[in-house]
Amino acid sequence: GENVEQHPSTLSVQEGDSAVIKCTYSDSASNYFPWYKQELGKRPQLIIDIRSNVGEKKDQRIAVTLNKTAKHFSLHITETQPEDSAVYFCAASNFNKFYFGSGTKLNVKP
Amino acid sequence: GAVVSQHPSRVICKSGTSVKIECRSLDFQATTMFWYRQFPKQSLMLMATSNEGSKATYEQGVEKDKFLINHASLTLSTLTVTSAHPEDSSFYICSARAPSGTLGNQPQHFGDGTRLSIL
Repeated sequence: GENVEQHPSTLSVQEGDSAVIKCTYSDSASNYFPWYKQELGKRPQLIIDIRSNVGEKKDQRIAVTLNKTAKHFSLHITETQPEDSAVYFCAASNFNKFYFGSGTKLNVKP
Repeated sequence: GAVVSQHPSRVICKSGTSVKIECRSLDFQATTMFWYRQFPKQSLMLMATSNEGSKATYEQGVEKDKFLINHASLTLSTLTVTSAHPEDSSFYICSARAPSGTLGNQPQHFGDGTRLSIL
């Protein structure tokens, strides 16, 4: 089955700096890679996703890159703000199940 | 769009009680729903995949007689924790996904979760 690894587990940045979270996956059949943001005690919310036919996608301060050959994808947050502080999960899917990474706790210091 | 409603949000009950949690997709039809368990500061652990009109598919190590799943319609899946014990205390969260189609795989949309505390 699919194995998704996510790094780092915790990330602390200064407000205004960029944050990068990286994930790797093992199943070459995975073709859909969403990223979720989960605030304490709340539901995970989809913030951006990318499909395997695209190498990069951007939405304002958030971008995701995908390298199918190397089987890794990354989340990039620029100009971080305190409200970006949360736990971020990556996931990989192949039309069936979703496999989640272990999560990254992002702390943006004002 | 893509709203998923989960009830109840919190349950506190005595050991031995059975607890039912409902997950509804409010504005789309979900052929597939997923049930997760999340421990504090940990990731989402997939318990089972619920498919409308058929039996749920359970992940390895998840007792299907303990965690009963019913997906009777395209908008409702239920998880019943039977004869719950303190070790079943956790945060349970469901998600729903619209059918994959010409747009390819679709994202999951999560409910608010249910915090279950067994005394």
